[in-house]
Amino acid sequence: NFMLTQPHSVSESPGKTVTISCTRSSGSIANNYVQWYQQRPGSSPTTVIYKDNQRPSGVPDRFSGSIDSSSNSASLTISGLKTEDEADYYCQSYYLNIHVFGTGTKVTVL
Amino acid sequence: EVQLVDSGGGLVQPGGSLRLSCAASGFTFSSWMHWVRQAPGKGLVWVSRINSDGSSTSYADSVRGRFTISRDNAKNTLYLQMNSVREEDTAVYYCAREYGENFDFWGQGTLVTVSS
Repeated sequence: NFMLTQPHSVSESPGKTVTISCTRSSGSIANNYVQWYQQRPGSSPTTVIYKDNQRPSGVPDRFSGSIDSSSNSASLTISGLKTEDEADYYCQSYYLNIHVFGTGTKVTVL
Repeated sequence: EVQLVDSGGGLVQPGGSLRLSCAASGFTFSSWMHWVRQAPGKGLVWVSRINSDGSSTSYADSVRGRFTISRDNAKNTLYLQMNSVREEDTAVYYCAREYGENFDFWGQGTLVTVSS
């Protein structure tokens, strides 16, 4: 099995941009799609990015996803930060029918 | 409207058993389904997955041999049978629908507390 490691927390001011990394410990990040979920306190997770860089309907284009094979990592970028973006974010991928979530990143909007 | 309603959580003693349910509505219940858990103040952890007709399942190492995922497509319901529970199984358990490798809908979660 593999692990997905994320920074514990990031913080930035409203209107700024934050990028959250998700590093895969073994196996290529490019071999399996990566999803990103947002979880606000007391709520169930919701998808903000699926299949590496696809946005579900209703998710603003301030959210974008990418893959970097050189660092074996995925990234979630949130631009034009809003107070409503303050939440926990998790990456997720899979291999051979085993799914793995990242360690989670708390985004604080100062 | 797609809805997943989790139920069956509660207080259980170490070594005991519990069965969780997830009632689905608003879609054709032929999707692959998953259970995901979250210990208090901790991150999301994938638990188990079942395919559309129940013929194929997979489990996280931490629950394999103790938990069993199943489904009743006639009742549009997903289950998780939890046996030989441990204190470290204490968590909110969510069911989730998989669509194109994405967990696109989640239940509201049901809390399982393992304690003597």
